[in-house]
Amino acid sequence: QKEVEQNSGPLSVPEGAIASLNCTYSDRGSQSFFWYRQYSGKSPELIMSIYSNGDKEDGRFTAQLNKASQYVSLLIRDSQPSDSATYLCAARDNYGQNFVFGPGTRLSVLP
Amino acid sequence: KAGVTQTPRYLIKTRGQQVTLSCSPISGHRSVSWYQQTPGQGLQFLFEYFSETQRNKGNFPGRFSGRQFSNSRSEMNVSTLELGDSALYLCASSSRDLTTLNTEAFFGQGTRLTVV
Repeated sequence: QKEVEQNSGPLSVPEGAIASLNCTYSDRGSQSFFWYRQYSGKSPELIMSIYSNGDKEDGRFTAQLNKASQYVSLLIRDSQPSDSATYLCAARDNYGQNFVFGPGTRLSVLP
Repeated sequence: KAGVTQTPRYLIKTRGQQVTLSCSPISGHRSVSWYQQTPGQGLQFLFEYFSETQRNKGNFPGRFSGRQFSNSRSEMNVSTLELGDSALYLCASSSRDLTTLNTEAFFGQGTRLTVV
């Protein structure tokens, strides 16, 4: 069973702090990785995608990938209360057969 | 540019019935994939259609089926509904099929199905 694991949280951080969200995956064949944000009662919204080892930055968001450790993370700088949501990590192999989502980490940014 | 449109937004059905959900992808996108989201199992991949052909399939029973039309709109059908089929059904739209590296999927608002 190919899995993506995340700490379910809640992860609470004060406004303005850095939020660090982590994800591990079991399938070494996974090549593409995605972070989605899902507000309560809404559909997932794509935040970042990453395919190569290292860091990828987009505004306040930085995704990090370490394929050797099978580890993906998302850093949110200058966290805002509007960032409070569930963050889903997803992994997919080149065959598209295994598009697996983690259970999500609930983030709460406190004003 | 319009996003992914799913209809209906809410649906209530009785056990044993069947249901059809619809998804219109982002204009120009040819891939539509379907997902089931429940509190217990999270978000799970059902299947993907690209250019009217099913390309990939998750681990769901044959009661779950789908199709895609020439305009890329897709429908998902669930037959002989069970109580456990109650879930949020999401579709996602991609410009390329999901086997292509770097392909991102964008979700619609979902259809909330309740089976009673």
